[in-house]
Amino acid sequence: GAVVSQHPSWVICKSGTSVKIECRSLDFQATTMFWYRQFPKQSLMLMATSNEGSKATYEQGVEKDKFLINHASLTLSTLTVTSAHPEDSSFYICSARISSGSGDEQFFGPGTRLTVL
Amino acid sequence: QQQVKQSPQSLIVQKGGISIINCAYENTAFDYFPWYQQFPGKGPALLIAIRPDVSEKKEGRFTISFNKSAKQFSLHIMDSQPGDSATYFCAAKMPSGSRLTFGEGTQLTVNP
Repeated sequence: GAVVSQHPSWVICKSGTSVKIECRSLDFQATTMFWYRQFPKQSLMLMATSNEGSKATYEQGVEKDKFLINHASLTLSTLTVTSAHPEDSSFYICSARISSGSGDEQFFGPGTRLTVL
Repeated sequence: QQQVKQSPQSLIVQKGGISIINCAYENTAFDYFPWYQQFPGKGPALLIAIRPDVSEKKEGRFTISFNKSAKQFSLHIMDSQPGDSATYFCAAKMPSGSRLTFGEGTQLTVNP
């Protein structure tokens, strides 16, 4: 159980175009999903917290108009990188939260490699 | 206050040896300390986690040691195998929220 998928696993796009990345919880419902960005040999950087049915909460320094997040259902959150530029090339990872009586855990997706030419 | 410091940055161990990765935190309000394993090109996977009410947790070859007074916790990998070669991240979480604060990561290489 607790499987999180991402689509696509990799994408190459031209500068100026927009790219949408999907994050799905396959066998559970997630009211909260998280989007991270990871550069080579670096740690995960939280970009935003996505709550089902409400606006995402962005971390300081993350442009909300550039990284559009939509959490329209309990199993799907999407990240759209608008007007992508080469500096947006990175590994994007989502996670979904499961809450239980003993606390909550995050389960991560396999990541999406974005390359902007 | 929100930082988690991880060391070493990289670690090379011989097959069968013990791998030890250390993390230190400042904020005493953290109440959940997970370790994640990440292979190249993949997302992190939860390896083992501990809460501050216990000093040690063991799952198979993986053990977390937790020192609440020193605000430190460590991951021990016994009988390290080449398949354990990956990047390991420690993290910490507050009780009132669900966001994780990650350490910088440790790249572990286990030589055959």
